[in-house]
Amino acid sequence: SAVISQKPSRDICQRGTSLTIQCQVDSQVTMMFWYRQQPGQSLTLIATANQGSEATYESGFVIDKFPISRPNLTFSTLTVSNMSPEDSSIYLCSVEGGHSYEQYFGPGTRLTVT
Amino acid sequence: EDKVVQSPLSLVVHEGDTVTLNCSYEVTNFRSLLWYKQEKKAPTFLFMLTSSGIEKKSGRLSSILDKKELFSILNITATQTGDSAVYLCAVWTGNQFYFGTGTSLTVIP
Repeated sequence: SAVISQKPSRDICQRGTSLTIQCQVDSQVTMMFWYRQQPGQSLTLIATANQGSEATYESGFVIDKFPISRPNLTFSTLTVSNMSPEDSSIYLCSVEGGHSYEQYFGPGTRLTVT
Repeated sequence: EDKVVQSPLSLVVHEGDTVTLNCSYEVTNFRSLLWYKQEKKAPTFLFMLTSSGIEKKSGRLSSILDKKELFSILNITATQTGDSAVYLCAVWTGNQFYFGTGTSLTVIP
C-alpha cells in the first residue's frame, strides 16, 4: 500500500485568495487524483494528474480555477484560486494502487473560506 | 453515462444488528469494485472485488460482487458503534474511479 501525506491538514482562508495543497506519496505512482468532498456529499473527481503531461479535468472544473502541478512521480499540488465560500470543502488526493486497482487516499485538507 | 448508485442513503440500527448495503453500477469498462469506510476525512479501503460470486471477508464485514446483475453488497454482522460511518462504493474503469453517494450508517448502543 501507499502512504500519502497532505499539507496543510486544514486552513481558513479569505475570499479572493488562493491556497496550494501539497500531496506527497512514499512511492512512485503514475496516476494521482484530486477529489473534492463538500459537506454531506460523496467524492467528486476534480482532475487526474499524470507525471509529464497536463492534468485532465472533469466537467465543471477548469485549470484556471484549480491549477495542478505534477513535477515527479511522488508529488503533486492542487491550487484553489480566487476562493469563494462555495469552495469550502475537503480536498483529497489519491493514488491508484498499481496492479491491484486499489486506491489510497491522503488524509485530506479541510478548507474553509470566509 | 457511467454511474454508481448506493442504497439506502442512510441507515440507523442497534448494536448487534446485521446490515446489508447495496451498490449498483453502470460503467462502460468495468475493472473492479471497491468498498471504503469514511469516518472523518479520508476514506479507508475495505475490499476490492473483481470476480463474481467470490466473497471477500474481513472479520464481521463481507462483500460479494455480481457482474451479471451489476451490483455488490456489503454485509456487516453484529454491528458495533464503531461501525458508524459513511460506506462508499467505487468502480474502477482503468481510467477513473466512479464513486457512489455513500450510505451513512449509524449504530445505536
